[in-house]
Amino acid sequence: EAQVTQNPRYLITVTGKKLTVTCSQNMNHEYMSWYRQDPGLGLRQIYYSMNVEVTDKGDVPEGYKVSRKEKRNFPLILESPSPNQTSLYFCASSGGLQETQYFGPGTRLLVL
Amino acid sequence: GQQLNQSPQSMFIQEGEDVSMNCTSSSIFNTWLWYKQDPGEGPVLLIALYKAGELTSNGRLTAQFGITRKDSFLNISASIPSDVGIYFCAGPYSGGSNYKLTFGKGTLLTVNP
Repeated sequence: EAQVTQNPRYLITVTGKKLTVTCSQNMNHEYMSWYRQDPGLGLRQIYYSMNVEVTDKGDVPEGYKVSRKEKRNFPLILESPSPNQTSLYFCASSGGLQETQYFGPGTRLLVL
Repeated sequence: GQQLNQSPQSMFIQEGEDVSMNCTSSSIFNTWLWYKQDPGEGPVLLIALYKAGELTSNGRLTAQFGITRKDSFLNISASIPSDVGIYFCAGPYSGGSNYKLTFGKGTLLTVNP
């Protein structure tokens, strides 16, 4: 089954404790992206990647890092999480911009 | 980043009614995308529009890419309870990377059976 998986689905952590949210897709897609969703703000793009080793900033990259060492994986790293990073995070992938973008199930993060 | 103004913010309608929502921007967009998000899930692409003036249908859904490239609308005809969810418009604006997407804030649709 074609899908985008994220782990963990739920995470509670404390300020400053480094964390990684993994994202994996099994569709051999070149394009992957991370978004955060906050009430009243919709989805905002954090980082995106056009291919292996090619990443770029979205609209809200501050406080986040990404890497794309393999085509199927695109982890989101929070080196020093802060409470304002409490949010619902979505990973997405597609074969290209004019291809359907598939979203993962989301990761709900709470930073205390 | 560029902003997409999506309206209305929410709608409460009766089953069987038609629905219309729209998205506008002060910037030109190359592509308009319409997504639906069900509660507890990620967004799913409904319709993609690639040319100014393009009118595209997907079942009961119809969307149009405005001639000015600064707006788009989505219509849902004969609404049913499973249409409930949040609808988002999205797209890459003309001045940026085609992979840098901006999303509207969403329209929350409630359908009363």
